[in-house]
Amino acid sequence: SQQGEEDPQALSIQEGENATMNCSYKTSINNLQWYRQNSGRGLVHLILIRSNEREKHSGRLRVTLDTSKKSSSLLITASRAADTASYFCATVSTIFNNNDMRFGAGTRLTVKP
Amino acid sequence: DAGITQSPRHKVTETGTPVTLRCHQTENHRYMYWYRQDPGHGLRLIHYSYGVKDTDKGEVSDGYSVSRSKTEDFLLTLESATSSQTSVYFCAISVDRLAKNIQYFGAGTRLSVL
Repeated sequence: SQQGEEDPQALSIQEGENATMNCSYKTSINNLQWYRQNSGRGLVHLILIRSNEREKHSGRLRVTLDTSKKSSSLLITASRAADTASYFCATVSTIFNNNDMRFGAGTRLTVKP
Repeated sequence: DAGITQSPRHKVTETGTPVTLRCHQTENHRYMYWYRQDPGHGLRLIHYSYGVKDTDKGEVSDGYSVSRSKTEDFLLTLESATSSQTSVYFCAISVDRLAKNIQYFGAGTRLSVL
């Protein structure tokens, strides 16, 4: 079963706008990660946030984590057409084997030039 | 794609035939993973390896077996392919599993079972 659920499933915005994607999960976690996947390619790691962290930044990416609500959000600021991709959250749970990272179904982001 | 090569990239096969997918890495990382990706399900772990001849099952291991006889190669075998195994298969490695389990993925193998 999926550990993470992304919301929305699809998002379409204009270049320059901000994009926010949300992830909810079910069990307690060690960390939560966000990955990006361009069409026909493998996933690429973007950012990791530990369970004791509330916010992290990396370039135009901002990730928040609320462990009380078991949710995370990924904000991409000043989006570009090149940001068009699918974005997945993945959790390393305290319950599952540490090798058993669980992925959500993803948010498909389209950035229109 | 992080020094990971998957082969073949595309394969079409018939129900009941055996299929082997190969994942090759060039950097001697200990941990390797096989996932399948299906619409609406994200990625699901099939099997993983934590060293030569050391493997374990993931969430969706039924119908799949793996082998790792060398550090650089991790093979995924479908003993008798079924249509439900039509999917895109991804191999991944983990560079610092104990700390974070950040994974690096290959480009994928698209498998169609007719």
